[in-house]
Amino acid sequence: DTGVSQNPRHKITKRGQNVTFRCDPISEHNRLYWYRQTLGQGPEFLTYFQNEAQLEKSRLLSDRFSAERPKGSFSTLEIQRTEQGDSAMYLCASSTGIADTGELFFGEGSRLTVL
Amino acid sequence: TQLLEQSPQFLSIQEGENLTVYCNSSSVFSSLQWYRQEPGEGPVLLVTVVTGGEVKKLKRLTFQFGDARKDSSLHITAAQPGDTGLYLCAGALSNSGYALNFGKGTSLLVTP
Repeated sequence: DTGVSQNPRHKITKRGQNVTFRCDPISEHNRLYWYRQTLGQGPEFLTYFQNEAQLEKSRLLSDRFSAERPKGSFSTLEIQRTEQGDSAMYLCASSTGIADTGELFFGEGSRLTVL
Repeated sequence: TQLLEQSPQFLSIQEGENLTVYCNSSSVFSSLQWYRQEPGEGPVLLVTVVTGGEVKKLKRLTFQFGDARKDSSLHITAAQPGDTGLYLCAGALSNSGYALNFGKGTSLLVTP
């Protein structure tokens, strides 16, 4: 399968714990995005990488959230000191960046439940 | 404030009926996409529209981009149970950033 891969698919944690999600984009895609989606809502933009550079961060991304893409391939999203409000589906997407039409290919998401 | 407003939020119809869902904004978009999302999965791209007034057809689905590039519609002819899902519109603003902005979606249920 050459699509966007995310893991873990599900994570249950206690409030205050740290969690990390990993995203492996489609191999030739240099653009990588993280989105968050809660029930009944569309995906909300969190952050964007072009290769290894983090070029844009949403105001939704508090200081407890950090994302990296160290070698311009896979990316990680870490949430420190999780809160119940962090419970959501975290979606990763990638694109080629050849045409600036914003066409994204999404992974299946990592669902976080904070107890 | 939601940049893209979708309506209706929920739609339940019977197999064979036609339907239209709408995506509206006060902002101008350089392009607009429609995605379909099934429970527990990520959204999957259906179509991208770029030119104002553009109409694209994908089998029983017809997508239209408004002349002013501020709105779009999705029309489904003779809906089938396999069309059930969350339909999301998403737009790239003409003048800023890399973020693709999503609407809240229209949840469609097609019953046999």
